[in-house]
Amino acid sequence: GAVVSQHPSRVICKSGTSVKIECRSLDFQATTMFWYRQFPKQSLMLMATSNEGSKATYEQGVEKDKFLINHASLTLSTLTVTSAHPEDSSFYICSAKDGTGGLWGYTFGSGTRLTVV
Amino acid sequence: DQQVKQNSPSLSVQEGRISILNCDYTNSMFDYFLWYKKYPAEGPTFLISISSIKDKNEDGRFTVFLNKSAKHLSLHIVPSQPGDSAVYFCAARKAANNLFFGTGTRLTVIP
Repeated sequence: GAVVSQHPSRVICKSGTSVKIECRSLDFQATTMFWYRQFPKQSLMLMATSNEGSKATYEQGVEKDKFLINHASLTLSTLTVTSAHPEDSSFYICSAKDGTGGLWGYTFGSGTRLTVV
Repeated sequence: DQQVKQNSPSLSVQEGRISILNCDYTNSMFDYFLWYKKYPAEGPTFLISISSIKDKNEDGRFTVFLNKSAKHLSLHIVPSQPGDSAVYFCAARKAANNLFFGTGTRLTVIP
């Protein structure tokens, strides 16, 4: 089945630095990718939707200048948390949608635990 | 604004018995509802779905029921097995393929 690889799985960074998270579709071309974040005991909240070759669409309340999303190819999307602060510490997870249109076409990465100290 | 809610954060069930996980939603525009299963340090994996025009979908031990008038759906697992222990997320889809997730219910199946 479809596999999405997310890297790194865990990262600790200093406040003020930037962190890049990668999301790759390994055996299919992802027309659309989604980025979510999850705070403890909360739901997965959609941050943004990215389509290959175009600008990402951000959900209300998500700062596009802080969370930079690049979907330059059909197999790779990146999320860069710029000038990270401790409140950005969270679990970030990507999802890639293949072109089949099926509901099982949402494949998730394994997530990235970001801790900002 | 939490459009999909799972009010039970945890559920414990004896092996062999039925597990019932509940989910409520507020937006009548959702066209599909999905259940995902998530193990620690892994991404959610798709389990079962139901269209908004149906009231039941069954796949092996898993059955999802939809009550549109009550804006409520439930996932039944029977018989429950220890390997079913995981966090289960309810999700709903609107146009543009966005998924809205509930907060999850941690199911523990006791051997």
